[in-house]
Amino acid sequence: DQQVKQNSPSLSVQEGRISILNCDYTNSMFDYFLWYKKYPAEGPTFLISISSIKDKNEDGRFTVFLNKSAKHLSLHIVPSQPGDSAVYFCAARNQAGTALIFGKGTTLSVSS
Amino acid sequence: DAGVIQSPRHEVTEMGQEVTLRCKPISGHNSLFWYRQTMMRGLELLIYFNNNVPIDDSGMPEDRFSAKMPNASFSTLKIQPSEPRDSAVYFCASSFRVLGEKLFFGSGTQLSVL
Repeated sequence: DQQVKQNSPSLSVQEGRISILNCDYTNSMFDYFLWYKKYPAEGPTFLISISSIKDKNEDGRFTVFLNKSAKHLSLHIVPSQPGDSAVYFCAARNQAGTALIFGKGTTLSVSS
Repeated sequence: DAGVIQSPRHEVTEMGQEVTLRCKPISGHNSLFWYRQTMMRGLELLIYFNNNVPIDDSGMPEDRFSAKMPNASFSTLKIQPSEPRDSAVYFCASSFRVLGEKLFFGSGTQLSVL
């Protein structure tokens, strides 16, 4: 029973365009959300996070939006670059304090 | 800092053999996590430690899996006996605090059980 769902296994985007990666969650006790990026043969690395008291957090080309009523968050990458090609994992933390729970990941391919 | 160090990077073994994966967390981090990545289940938490004490091992799939953290700088994940369905990438991660803090991952161990 997945509490964090990334329903799109893959996404292909052209260089310079916007990439939108989506994530849904089922547990209303989640209060902190993170995105990780993973290149082949490497471990995931932290990308950006958002607290449940906010609805948007921006860091350079990366913006995360949170819609608590819909239990949905999205990661926007603008403009997309070939170096952004990787697997992106959405993760969430429970208010009660547990380890991060991850989704299955979305593979982003940015073509030049 | 060298980051989280895992060994071996690759492990190929035969069904029934014992497998031991090793992890050295970032110095000063007091929480350590073991995750497993598969196509079907994505990144799933197996077990995590805080101050060398196991806090939650509910993700450990079977009694064949065991994990230890004898000191703050070393942890092992052991599978005995191993089975083909254990084939996956196993990641170790550490953080300064346990409560959903940003995790720092190692490069993982690619395990293949034939």
